[in-house]
Amino acid sequence: AQSVTQLGSHVSVSEGALVLLRCNYSSSVPPYLFWYVQYPNQGLQLLLKYTSAATLVKGINGFEAEFKKSETSFHLTKPSAHMSDAAEYFCAVSGSRRDDKIIFGKGTRLHILP
Amino acid sequence: EAGVTQFPSHSVIEKGQTVTLRCDPISGHDNLYWYRRVMGKEIKFLLHFVKESKQDESGMPNNRFLAERTGGTYSTLKVQPAELEDSGVYFCASSQVGRARNEQFFGPGTRLTVL
Repeated sequence: AQSVTQLGSHVSVSEGALVLLRCNYSSSVPPYLFWYVQYPNQGLQLLLKYTSAATLVKGINGFEAEFKKSETSFHLTKPSAHMSDAAEYFCAVSGSRRDDKIIFGKGTRLHILP
Repeated sequence: EAGVTQFPSHSVIEKGQTVTLRCDPISGHDNLYWYRRVMGKEIKFLLHFVKESKQDESGMPNNRFLAERTGGTYSTLKVQPAELEDSGVYFCASSQVGRARNEQFFGPGTRLTVL
C-alpha cells in the first residue's frame, strides 16, 4: 500500500532563505508523486509531479523536488522564500491502479518570517 | 477553461440535518473524485466515479453518505443525517481517464460545519 509521511506540521523560514519541506513515501510499485499547495481560502493547486521521466522535477513558483529512490524521499525545495509562499503544502502519492485515488500526507504549513 | 467548481463554499447545519454538496468537474473529465479533510487530519479519499459509475467507494465512512453522478456530469454528495464528526472540508477533483499520469484538478472545497 502507498503512503507518505511529511516531517514537520509547521515550518518557519525567513524571507529569502531556503525552503525545504520533507516527504518520505512508501510504495510497493513505482510511485507517482505530487506536491500540492493550498493558499489561504483557496483550493488545492498542483505544484509539481514526479512520473519517472526525470528525478529532479521543476514546478511552479520556483519550487522543485528531487526523487530519491534509495532514500524513498521526495523533498520540496525553493532557493529563496517569498512572503507569498506562505501556505500549506501536501505531499501525495498516487495509488497503483490507473486513475487511482491520491493519498495525501498530513500537510506542512509554511510560515515566512519577514 | 473553467476549473472544478463546488457549491456551496460553506455550509453550517445542525446535527441530524441533511446537507447536499455539489461538484462540477472540468468539462470532458470522466474521472471525478471526492476527498475530505477533517480538522487536524490528512485529506482522505472518499470515492471515485468514472462517468456515472462508482469505480471505488472504499473511502466512504458509512451509509449516511450518498454520492451520485447522474448523467456523468456533475456529482452530489449527500450527508443524511449529519453528525458532528462530519465537519470538515470536502474537496472534489476531476481528471481525464488514463491521461497525464493521474493529474487530478481540485476544486476550492466546501467547508461543512455541523453544530
